[in-house]
Amino acid sequence: SQQGEEDPQALSIQEGENATMNCSYKTSINNLQWYRQNSGRGLVHLILIRSNEREKHSGRLRVTLDTSKKSSSLLITASRAADTASYFCATAGAGGTSYGKLTFGQGTILTVHP
Amino acid sequence: KAGVTQTPRYLIKTRGQQVTLSCSPISGHRSVSWYQQTPGQGLQFLFEYFSETQRNKGNFPGRFSGRQFSNSRSEMNVSTLELGDSALYLCASSLALSGGGGTDTQYFGPGTRLTVL
Repeated sequence: SQQGEEDPQALSIQEGENATMNCSYKTSINNLQWYRQNSGRGLVHLILIRSNEREKHSGRLRVTLDTSKKSSSLLITASRAADTASYFCATAGAGGTSYGKLTFGQGTILTVHP
Repeated sequence: KAGVTQTPRYLIKTRGQQVTLSCSPISGHRSVSWYQQTPGQGLQFLFEYFSETQRNKGNFPGRFSGRQFSNSRSEMNVSTLELGDSALYLCASSLALSGGGGTDTQYFGPGTRLTVL
């Protein structure tokens, strides 16, 4: 079963605009990770934010985490056509029962029009 | 460093057959996790191996099994294939230096697309 939900399910924007995706989860986490997937290929890791962090930046990416609301957001600034992909959040739980297990959301399909 | 590799990239099988998929992790990575991705269920965790031991297992029937070798390479096997097993199977490796599991970044391979006819 999925950990939570991503919102929106699909997002269509013009090049140069910002894209914001949201992710909610249900249980306590050790960290939350964001991945990108191009057209049914493997997942590319974008950024990891730990449960004791509130915000993290990497290039054009900004991730926030609100553990009290069990939610996270991914902001991509100045989007490019090459950013067109599906974006997934994934949570890593704490403790031994979480060994090697990421629980994924359903993903957001981002389309950036040139 | 070379990334995670998976072989084969594509497979077509018929119902009732069995299949073995292979995953070679990034050099030095000790943990290998497997996931199934389908349009209906999304990405779901199958199992994780560390030092040749299965430490965690998802909610899949016993037809799904795996193993890990001393060089950290891993295989997963699906016996008695069903139509619903058609999916993209992804493996991911992580460093797991301290033996920890869910704390590390996972690096994914390109996947094996399995079609069951």
